[in-house]
Amino acid sequence: DVKVTQSSRYLVKRTGEKVFLECVQDMDHENMFWYRQDPGLGLRLIYFSYDVKMKEKGDIPEGYSVSREKKERFSLILESASTNQTSMYLCASSFGAPNYGYTFGSGTRLTVV
Amino acid sequence: SQQGEEDPQALSIQEGENATMNCSYKTSINNLQWYRQNSGRGLVHLILIRSNEREKHSGRLRVTLDTSKKSSSLLITASRAADTASYFCATDPDQGGSEKLVFGKGMKLTVNP
Repeated sequence: DVKVTQSSRYLVKRTGEKVFLECVQDMDHENMFWYRQDPGLGLRLIYFSYDVKMKEKGDIPEGYSVSREKKERFSLILESASTNQTSMYLCASSFGAPNYGYTFGSGTRLTVV
Repeated sequence: SQQGEEDPQALSIQEGENATMNCSYKTSINNLQWYRQNSGRGLVHLILIRSNEREKHSGRLRVTLDTSKKSSSLLITASRAADTASYFCATDPDQGGSEKLVFGKGMKLTVNP
């Protein structure tokens, strides 16, 4: 069964900590994406990557960075966690164009205290 | 940036009834997709309809697409309590080279037993 795996379902971190959210896919997908989801705001794209070592900013990249050293792994980094980064984080992957759909991970609910 | 808008934002029905959700979008598209999200989980791809298709079926799901009105509808027939979830439409914009889907904010369906 093909899947996207996010390393943690729940995470609690302190303000100012550096936080790593890991995402791994086993489908040989070119594209990988990080979203955050907040009530009433829907899914907002943070960063995406079309290939290894390539990254592009999404709609809300401030306070985040990403790393894609291998095709199957896409990491989201919160350089200095803040309480307004408390959210549900969703990773997704897809083949290249045409876009026939994303496969999502189960999500990581991050709480910054 | 969000293109799709689901309507209504919330729907509550009885088990066995049909549920209809609508989605409107703004730009020309290659395809439109519907996703389901169970509470606290990732999104799951349900069905895709291409821009040159008008209707598509998958099990109890029926999707229609009207590109002249830039709208789509998702019909779930004979609903079950297990259909309780949030539903999102997502469009694949017809703007060369873009491989990002654009998601709506989602709508919550509650099916009461």
